[in-house]
Amino acid sequence: AQRVTQPEKLLSVFKGAPVELKCNYSYSGSPELFWYVQYSRQRLQLLLRHISRESIKGFTADLNKGETSFHLKKPFAQEEDSAMYYCALLRGSGAGSYQLTFGKGTKLSVIP
Amino acid sequence: NAGVMQNPRHLVRRRGQEARLRCSPMKGHSHVYWYRQLPEEGLKFMVYLQKENIIDESGMPKERFSAEFPKEGPSILRIQQVVRGDSAAYFCASSPDRDSQPQHFGDGTRLSIL
Repeated sequence: AQRVTQPEKLLSVFKGAPVELKCNYSYSGSPELFWYVQYSRQRLQLLLRHISRESIKGFTADLNKGETSFHLKKPFAQEEDSAMYYCALLRGSGAGSYQLTFGKGTKLSVIP
Repeated sequence: NAGVMQNPRHLVRRRGQEARLRCSPMKGHSHVYWYRQLPEEGLKFMVYLQKENIIDESGMPKERFSAEFPKEGPSILRIQQVVRGDSAAYFCASSPDRDSQPQHFGDGTRLSIL
């Protein structure tokens, strides 16, 4: 069965320090992975997806199939990065739909 | 485009009552997904619907829960005879078709059972 693991419930870093939010997955097929972010009092929104290979708000994430990881990184944290971050895996089901499987989330707190 | 709209934002029910959660997808989207988030957990898939059809309900509890997406109007997630364990945040997401990602999420409905 597919699973997404985010080992850190809470991550605190100082402003300007590098950030790495960990995500590991298990999936027998070819994964499509996403990072979603939820800022305080806002809805869940897409941050980035691995097939786009973009950098959004300074964040990047590389899919490492050997280590089954999709860690989210940013070289210099900013206060406005404080939020809940969810790693998610998209899989097709036998019923003909696509489902997202989410990790439990990591709360990032950037200390001024 | 107002995005995915869910209402109510907060819903309080007593045990044994019915809860009805509504979701209006983004304009142009005809595919709706419902997810549930229990405290300290990630979002878990419940059901996927297109207009007038349930495509995949593999994540839906077998009893008391039902979902619909009529030709006109919002998608409804209905929970009958609620119990304390139903307390959770329920999120709706939409997409224009099955293969278009990402899914766009609403603000969620926080259901509390007294």
